[in-house]
Amino acid sequence: KQEVTQIPAALSVPEGENLVLNCSFTDSAIYNLQWFRQDPGKGLTSLLLIQSSQREQTSGRLNASLDKSSGRSTLYIAASQPGDSATYLCAVDTGRRALTFGSGTRLQVQP
Amino acid sequence: GAVVSQHPSWVICKSGTSVKIECRSLDFQATTMFWYRQFPKQSLMLMATSNEGSKATYEQGVEKDKFLINHASLTLSTLTVTSAHPEDSSFYICSARVWGEDGYTFGSGTRLTVV
Repeated sequence: KQEVTQIPAALSVPEGENLVLNCSFTDSAIYNLQWFRQDPGKGLTSLLLIQSSQREQTSGRLNASLDKSSGRSTLYIAASQPGDSATYLCAVDTGRRALTFGSGTRLQVQP
Repeated sequence: GAVVSQHPSWVICKSGTSVKIECRSLDFQATTMFWYRQFPKQSLMLMATSNEGSKATYEQGVEKDKFLINHASLTLSTLTVTSAHPEDSSFYICSARVWGEDGYTFGSGTRLTVV
């Protein structure tokens, strides 16, 4: 059974810092991995999707990497802003046609 | 991009009543819809998978008689929480995949509070 773990569970940083969120998964047989943002009481916003054959994806200040063989992904946020405060979830697609989610990292960026 | 519209965004109901949550796929046909539940400070857990025109597949531990799923058309899936109890209070969210595309599109979620 696929299990997804995210570290740290919570993170508070001052504005402007670069930061890394970690995601690990137990079964490397994945189709892709997706990073989402969730604001309190809201739905999910897709940030980046990395195919199993890819090593990284970039969108603006966000960069996600994937090391499938070791079961790890990182989300790098450059020059963090207070508006980045949210919960970040990673999820893997193993072909069951539904995603398996990590428990999330709650990020707070202090102005 | 593809959009899944979910309603209501929040609902408060009395214990023992039933609540229906709707998810509509806009501008695309969703042959499969996934329903997740999220308790406070926890991650999303898959409850069931609904397929248009057939019975839903429920995850282990999810009561099919309590969480009724109907997927009568290619653009609409509904989740009805029957005889709701306070422990059913949670955030419910649906998701669909657009044919030919990678990734999943999520509804905006429904916050259910049972009092």
